[in-house]
Amino acid sequence: EEQLVGSGGGLVQPGGSLKISCGASGFTFSNFWMDWVRQAPGKGLEWVANINQDGSQTYYVDSVKGRFTISRDNAENSLYLQMNSLRVEDSGVYYCSNQLGTPWGQGTMVTVSS
Amino acid sequence: DIQMTQSPSSLSASVGDRVSITCRASQGIRKDFGWYQQKPGKAPKRLIYGASTLQSGVPSRFSGSGSGTEFTLTISSLQPEDFATYYCLQYNSYPRTFGQGTKVEIK
Repeated sequence: EEQLVGSGGGLVQPGGSLKISCGASGFTFSNFWMDWVRQAPGKGLEWVANINQDGSQTYYVDSVKGRFTISRDNAENSLYLQMNSLRVEDSGVYYCSNQLGTPWGQGTMVTVSS
Repeated sequence: DIQMTQSPSSLSASVGDRVSITCRASQGIRKDFGWYQQKPGKAPKRLIYGASTLQSGVPSRFSGSGSGTEFTLTISSLQPEDFATYYCLQYNSYPRTFGQGTKVEIK
């Protein structure tokens, strides 16, 4: 069964940093682009970033450029999102996804608050 | 950025009803488009990709149509498990952008 499991979320103060992870199983992780999508509490979906198969290409939504870094470790079947200079408006559930298709992770909650 | 405008933002319908949701793109996106269903507390689930291709395992009562700037999701006979929020997505260019969502509620 194809599965993505997110981890690493938590409470962080504004200006702080957090790195969230997503572990993949049941499919050949290294063959696929991977995406992060977030959802603020009670709001809609917002695409955040994606990365190509070998990590040589990355794209970001403007609101996180220069603050967030997406990366991957194909040997560990893992996807990461390093989030720096966090803002209150970065709070929400962060989902990892296989090319915005199937599967999606269960989501990991990030709360930025003082 | 390409803006995706969904309508309606919410609707009330009964089991067995035929329901349609529309999404308009601010510029042409060919068929680089998908529909997602999200239930409370759960991750989104892709229903349709390529504007009209049904994701494996998704019931055939769901269908998608359109190309360019206007797209439609149709549920031919609404079932109790279909009450959820639906989002459209364009993946023609960066940044990828979602519509604001359509909440389908029980009448």
